[in-house]
Amino acid sequence: GESVGLHLPTLSVQEGDNSIINCAYSNSASDYFIWYKQESGKGPQFIIDIRSNMDKRQGQRVTVLLNKTVKHLSLQIAATQPGDSAVYFCAERDDKIIFGKGTRLHILP
Amino acid sequence: DTGVSQDPRHKITKRGQNVTFRCDPISEHNRLYWYRQTLGQGPEFLTYFQNEAQLEKSRLLSDRFSAERPKGSFSTLEIQRTEQGDSAMYLCASRAAGDGYTFGSGTRLTVV
Repeated sequence: GESVGLHLPTLSVQEGDNSIINCAYSNSASDYFIWYKQESGKGPQFIIDIRSNMDKRQGQRVTVLLNKTVKHLSLQIAATQPGDSAVYFCAERDDKIIFGKGTRLHILP
Repeated sequence: DTGVSQDPRHKITKRGQNVTFRCDPISEHNRLYWYRQTLGQGPEFLTYFQNEAQLEKSRLLSDRFSAERPKGSFSTLEIQRTEQGDSAMYLCASRAAGDGYTFGSGTRLTVV
């Protein structure tokens, strides 16, 4: 069935280190994935997306990796900054977006 | 402001009362979506519109919930006879065909 989930509810990372947030999905027919960032009191904000015909896509300080064999998605944030503190959701999109539960990223000073 | 606007930002209501939320999408976006988000969870799809037509409704959208988009621009989400379980953040998003979604900041509903 359709489901997108994240492995860890919380992740703590030292400021300046790289963060890796993981996500597993179950719908092998999914062909488009998105990572969102949600800060407190705000709606989800688009970070980066990837289509199923790709296995890697890079943005500014962020990289998304897609492993279709094991149905796994990850978001890598380079040189994590205090402003990266938020809840991160992976999501699958067809006509609508299906969100996972989210990982809260804490930045340690 | 070119973003998605939601009003009110916060609503506290007594159980059994009716509430109505409004969403103003980005003006050229023909699709509008409603989501509900409870604490610690990801947003859950409720319904979406293409122009004024409501194309899909989730099982979460009980008969106490109704959404409209009468002129294909702004949308309203009404909850009748509110229950404590309706307490959540209600998010609206819009998009144009082929474009990404833009979310509003949501309406936080507290039913007491």
